[in-house]
Amino acid sequence: EDQVTQSPEALRLQEGESSSLNCSYTVSGLRGLFWYRQDPGKGPEFLFTLYSAGEEKEKERLKATLTKKESFLHITAPKPEDSATYLCAAPTQGGSEKLVFGKGTKLTVNP
Amino acid sequence: NAGVTQTPKFQVLKTGQSMTLQCAQDMNHNSMYWYRQDPGMGLRLIYYSASEGTTDKGEVPNGYNVSRLNKREFSLRLESAAPSQTSVYFCASTRDGRSYEQYFGPGTRLTVT
Repeated sequence: EDQVTQSPEALRLQEGESSSLNCSYTVSGLRGLFWYRQDPGKGPEFLFTLYSAGEEKEKERLKATLTKKESFLHITAPKPEDSATYLCAAPTQGGSEKLVFGKGTKLTVNP
Repeated sequence: NAGVTQTPKFQVLKTGQSMTLQCAQDMNHNSMYWYRQDPGMGLRLIYYSASEGTTDKGEVPNGYNVSRLNKREFSLRLESAAPSQTSVYFCASTRDGRSYEQYFGPGTRLTVT
């Protein structure tokens, strides 16, 4: 069964305190790993797509990396506005058009 | 561009009532999706449509029906609402099934009493 597992469930940081979120997957024949940001009361917003091990993508204070078994979302010197739930997702196997989502990591950055 | 729009934003139903959630996108996307999001469960796919006139079941389709009215619109119908269908419902679209960069609507918060 295709699975995407995120850890930790919740993370509290002080402003400027760097950390990483983890996303591990058990989808065979991975055809991409996707990161989304979700603010309270809103729909998820696409951040990054990673296609192959070793690939990295950056956006402001966020950097996503991919290995053969997991992905990391590194947050460097976070600010309170980075507070959100971060979701990762992977396409289900078999060439389908469906994504399976992890349950998310709720990040809180205190000023 | 409005992106993906959903109506209504909030709805309260009594058990057994029916309703239709509406979704429209103005990005000329081919694929559209309906998800539900529950605390501790994450986003789960209910139904999706790869193109106009086609629909397919996702992970949790029981109790729901969908209609891909045209390329822009994809509706979700609850024929006889149950308390277990209390959730936040999101519609999403993507250019085609291989892009996976899904654009989400703002959600509909549904409570069934």
